[in-house]
Amino acid sequence: DQQVKQNSPSLSVQEGRISILNCDYTNSMFDYFLWYKKYPAEGPTFLISISSIKDKNEDGRFTVFLNKSAKHLSLHIVPSQPGDSAVYFCAANAGGTSYGKLTFGQGTILTVHP
Amino acid sequence: DGGITQSPKYLFRKEGQNVTLSCEQNLNHDAMYWYRQDPGQGLRLIYYSQIVNDFQKGDIAEGYSVSREKKESFPLTVTSAQKNPTAFYLCASLPGQTSRSPLHFGNGTRLTVT
Repeated sequence: DQQVKQNSPSLSVQEGRISILNCDYTNSMFDYFLWYKKYPAEGPTFLISISSIKDKNEDGRFTVFLNKSAKHLSLHIVPSQPGDSAVYFCAANAGGTSYGKLTFGQGTILTVHP
Repeated sequence: DGGITQSPKYLFRKEGQNVTLSCEQNLNHDAMYWYRQDPGQGLRLIYYSQIVNDFQKGDIAEGYSVSREKKESFPLTVTSAQKNPTAFYLCASLPGQTSRSPLHFGNGTRLTVT
């Protein structure tokens, strides 16, 4: 049972435009959500997170939106840069469990063309 | 510079052999985690330890074993009982259970079993 899903395996955008990566979840106990970026043969690096008490969190070019009623979150990258090309994973954690116990989506490969 | 060191980066073993993956951190973090990544899939939790001399099974613990004799070290043994051991293995850590900070990952070990 895939509790966190990223339904788009890949996304291609032009440099300078907006990238929107989507993530859906099914477990209503999830209350903390994170986005990680990963290059091949490297570990994921943390990008941005959001708690379920918020519906938006912004950090520079990265903004995460959370729609709890739809069990949906999205990551917006504006403007997109070629260096943003990587695999992006969304992840979720349920309150009351170990904070490091994350459930990950399958990942979306983002390619930003110059 | 603080971080998580996983060694070696690439590891090759014959089927039927046990193999131990190293994970060392100098971040003074209490909690440590092992995740596995397979192509086209998200990361899945194998084992985690919230404190020295204590560890718990994650979602896919069968065929794996761990120890946590020192705060800095959390080695993972892939036993011959693991049916599909070829994968990318990632170690991660957190300051502790009172801190909802994001997981910090090492750069991974790619294990190939033939």
